[in-house]
Amino acid sequence: SAVISQKPSRDICQRGTSLTIQCQVDSQVTMMFWYRQQPGQSLTLIATANQGSEATYESGFVIDKFPISRPNLTFSTLTVSNMSPEDSSIYLCSVESYRGQRSGQYFGPGTRLTVT
Amino acid sequence: KQEVTQIPAALSVPEGENLVLNCSFTDSAIYNLQWFRQDPGKGLTSLLLIQSSQREQTSGRLNASLDKSSGRSTLYIAASQPGDSATYLCAACFRGSARQLTFGSGTQLTVLP
Repeated sequence: SAVISQKPSRDICQRGTSLTIQCQVDSQVTMMFWYRQQPGQSLTLIATANQGSEATYESGFVIDKFPISRPNLTFSTLTVSNMSPEDSSIYLCSVESYRGQRSGQYFGPGTRLTVT
Repeated sequence: KQEVTQIPAALSVPEGENLVLNCSFTDSAIYNLQWFRQDPGKGLTSLLLIQSSQREQTSGRLNASLDKSSGRSTLYIAASQPGDSATYLCAACFRGSARQLTFGSGTQLTVLP
């Protein structure tokens, strides 16, 4: 299975500031996904990030608010811009891994963001 | 609209009991369905993945089934232990999507010692 790390693991930020979250994978992957999990909720997809192309955003999410970079096949960043308390969530990146019985989608440990 | 639903939202059982968690999905055209475990404040741990061509997958005390015709999947946990306490999420990868997952709202399981 893919090993995924995220930085930072948690942060407390002030309203109006921005935070960039990093996602690093131990193998090359074509597609990376960014999800948000609001308190007490399930996961919602923010966008799909492919290397060499613009990220594809889901309904309700826009590039100005959540810019994404994908400079190579093992790394991506998600920025949460001009934050408000409503952005307080866990942000998770994930990748697909095709390895026989261990195939599936694998998630990073998440970044817990609190906006005050 | 492609949706995934999990019932119940919470479940509490005594240690040693066998239990079943339910997941339903609105569109039978799926690539696969995956079950995850999430501990409080943590990320997701993949438990089992069932491809659309499969009917079940097993890993240790866990068995997941898939019935596309009825739009249902179950996660069976045998001989439950307090360490199994967590939120269990199912997620479907629907055909026509860009391989992203659509998640259910989860079942919070508590196994009482």
